[in-house]
Parts: sequence; structure tokens; C-alpha cells
Amino acid sequence: GENVGLHLPTLSVQEGDNSIINCAYSNSASDYFIWYKQESGKGPQFIIDIRSNMDKRQGQRVTVLLNKTVKHLSLQIAATQPGDSAVYFCAETRGSSNTGKLIFGQGTTLQVKP
Amino acid sequence: DAGVTQSPTHLIKTRGQHVTLRCSPISGHKSVSWYQQVLGQGPQFIFQYYEKEERGRGNFPDRFSARQFPNYSSELNVNALLLGDSALYLCASSPGQGRGTGELFFGEGSRLTVL
Repeated sequence: GENVGLHLPTLSVQEGDNSIINCAYSNSASDYFIWYKQESGKGPQFIIDIRSNMDKRQGQRVTVLLNKTVKHLSLQIAATQPGDSAVYFCAETRGSSNTGKLIFGQGTTLQVKP
Repeated sequence: DAGVTQSPTHLIKTRGQHVTLRCSPISGHKSVSWYQQVLGQGPQFIFQYYEKEERGRGNFPDRFSARQFPNYSSELNVNALLLGDSALYLCASSPGQGRGTGELFFGEGSRLTVL
């Protein structure tokens, strides 16, 4: 069924440490995954995406890992900063070419301690 | 450059009323999607419009409807409001509707409270 979930609702890290946010998805037909960041009072902001033909993709201070065997997705943030404090959502697309439809997880709140 | 703009930003309605939410996509974007975000949850897909046609619909009742205009702006209408319709309604735009355009650009949302 449609289910994109996250393992932990809240993650608290020290400033400067690395953060790892996890996400599990249930549909093996999903082939495109996106991480979004949502700050309080704002809309979700695109962070990074990955296709199912890849295992890893890196951006600026962020890395997304995809393990299709166990249907697991993770977002790694290097040298976490206070500005990284937000709710992080994984999202997936599946099926038709209509990628305006994303299936979001419930989100993980990242708290960065100074 | 202007991002996705939504109006109103906040509104309060009573049960049974209807509401119209508006969205202007980023200039040049032809696809608009609507999402409902209940407090503490991830956004849920409601509709996608591309070139003024409905291209996808989520699991929402017929009380929810939308349309897209020739200038690619969009309206979301909700009739016979229920308390459970209280949520942040997000509009997102993208250049097209093909695969790989997952980088949806979201607006700040319209916060609807139903009393």
C-alpha cells in the first residue's frame, strides 16, 4: 500500500555533528525519491533527490543513500548547523509519468543544539 | 524572482461553508499541484493540473475541486467544510509533468481553520 514512513519522529544533535535521518518505504515499484526540508511556517523546500538506479547521491553537505533491498532511504547532513533545524520529509513517486504527485512520510524533526 | 504565491495566508471558516484558495506558480511553470498538510503530518496529494487539465487526483472527496486558468494559476475549492478540513493547504509548481521533475517548488501555504 501507500506508505512512506520515518523511523524517528525527533532527532536531536549537537552543532557540528553529522545527522542521519531515515525513511522506509513499502512499495518496491517506487523509483524516485526526494528529501524535503520544512521550516516552521514555510512550505517544504527541495533538498536532494535520487533515482532507483542509484545507491548514493551527494549534494552540498548532504548525502542521500538508497537501499532498494530493504526499501530504505537515508539523508545524511554533514556538520549540522542551527539553520538545519526543521522537519525533514522523504517523498516518493511511483507509477505513471505524473510526478506532480508525491507520497510524503510523516516527517522527522531535527533539533540542533548549540 | 517570485516564487509560488498563495492567498490568503490564513483564514477561518465555519462548518458547512465553502472556501477558495488561490495559487500563482513560478513564471514559466505549467504544472500546479495541491497538497493538504494536517498538523504533525506530511503533505497529502490532492490534485495536479497541467495545461489546464486535471492530471492526477488523490484520495479526497468530491467536496474538493480545483481548476487551472490560461495563465497557469490555480484555485482549490472546498465545499461543505468539515472540522477535519482544518490544515495547511500547499500549492506546488513545476515546469512540466514528466518524470524527474520531482523538484516541486512549494508556496508558503494557506492555513485554513474550520470552527
